[in-house]
Amino acid sequence: GAVVSQHPSWVICKSGTSVKIECRSLDFQATTMFWYRQFPKQSLMLMATSNEGSKATYEQGVEKDKFLINHASLTLSTLTVTSAHPEDSSFYICSAYGTSSTDTQYFGPGTRLTVL
Amino acid sequence: LAKTTQPISMDSYEGQEVNITCSHNNIATNDYITWYQQFPSQGPRFIIQGYKTKVTNEVASLFIPADRKSSTLSLPRVSLSDTAVYYCLVGDMRDTDKLIFGTGTRLQVFP
Repeated sequence: GAVVSQHPSWVICKSGTSVKIECRSLDFQATTMFWYRQFPKQSLMLMATSNEGSKATYEQGVEKDKFLINHASLTLSTLTVTSAHPEDSSFYICSAYGTSSTDTQYFGPGTRLTVL
Repeated sequence: LAKTTQPISMDSYEGQEVNITCSHNNIATNDYITWYQQFPSQGPRFIIQGYKTKVTNEVASLFIPADRKSSTLSLPRVSLSDTAVYYCLVGDMRDTDKLIFGTGTRLQVFP
């Protein structure tokens, strides 16, 4: 139980384009989803928190107009990186928290974004 | 904020028991302690969670002293496949301001 999927698992795009990453909770309802970014050999850094049906809350230093988050249903959240630049290249990981058996968040497998 | 401190790295050999300690001196009353395992280019995987005393599941044990200012993840008889980064996360899921991952502990298991 408590499975979270992400799509795509990796993506390469040109600078200036937008990329959408999907995060789905497959066997439970996620009232809250989190988006993290992780650079090589570093820890996870929380970018934003989204609750189903409401606007996302962004961490300090994260541009909300650049990283658009939508959490339209209890099983799906999307992160859109707009006008991507090479410095946005990173490993993006989502997690979901909700009606699973333990009081914890469950993570997706991550999406490797490379911006050329 | 329940800031966590863990050793940066640890080495072990196959078959040994590994104990990784996390310090969290300003843990709050409602905070749980959760440990995750992460392999390269993968999302973290939930290992175990506890509030106080001892918790055991099929893969690990978690020891939490009475003052809850630290916790120890115990991995019995590690194998090469346990080589990974282990994160201790202290917080209350209802207060996401506290969801800050520490540096993690890079465990290397040798044959």
